[in-house]
Amino acid sequence: GAVVSQHPSWVICKSGTSVKIECRSLDFQATTMFWYRQFPKQSLMLMATSNEGSKATYEQGVEKDKFLINHASLTLSTLTVTSAHPEDSSFYICSIQGISDTQYFGPGTRLTVL
Amino acid sequence: AQKITQTQPGMFVQEKEAVTLDCTYDTSDPSYGLFWYKQPSSGEMIFLIYQGSYDQQNATEGRYSLNFQKARKSANLVISASQLGDSAMYFCAMRRGAAGNKLTFGGGTRVLVKP
Repeated sequence: GAVVSQHPSWVICKSGTSVKIECRSLDFQATTMFWYRQFPKQSLMLMATSNEGSKATYEQGVEKDKFLINHASLTLSTLTVTSAHPEDSSFYICSIQGISDTQYFGPGTRLTVL
Repeated sequence: AQKITQTQPGMFVQEKEAVTLDCTYDTSDPSYGLFWYKQPSSGEMIFLIYQGSYDQQNATEGRYSLNFQKARKSANLVISASQLGDSAMYFCAMRRGAAGNKLTFGGGTRVLVKP
């Protein structure tokens, strides 16, 4: 498999502030990373596909100016939630496309916006 | 559009017994991949098993096996000899087309293993 880390694991912020979440591939060079959001008792919803060295591809309904994604290297992708509001409170999970055709997920980041 | 359906929102299983989690999918692509992930209360998504649409045999990984019925478009997960640590949410997911494409997830099934 592949080992993926996320930082921070949880964050609480005030409404209107921006929060950056890091996703790191620790043992695999990932040209593609994915960002998902999961609301309580719901399934994972893909937000965007992050491609190293190019712009991310966002899913329909996801505001690219609000959820900024930067995939600057083969081991790091960042998701910045800009001007966060309480409705952005959620569990954010990243994944990488590893070998053997499988996506491996990070441990997730729980965001609470007050 | 592709769709993944898990019809069992939750189920109990007795420790040491087997349990089958249902998953049906809908796609017109001839090439696709089917995955099962486990999500314990900690939130991490743990990869369990994978089945490619062209694979001739059902996938198995330890206590996990995937009952792949292509004509029925179903990919049920069987967990044998359930353990208390198997209590978690289980998600079926499908990747349409080639590797590197995005996953679509089902709604999940919560499994509680009783001692």
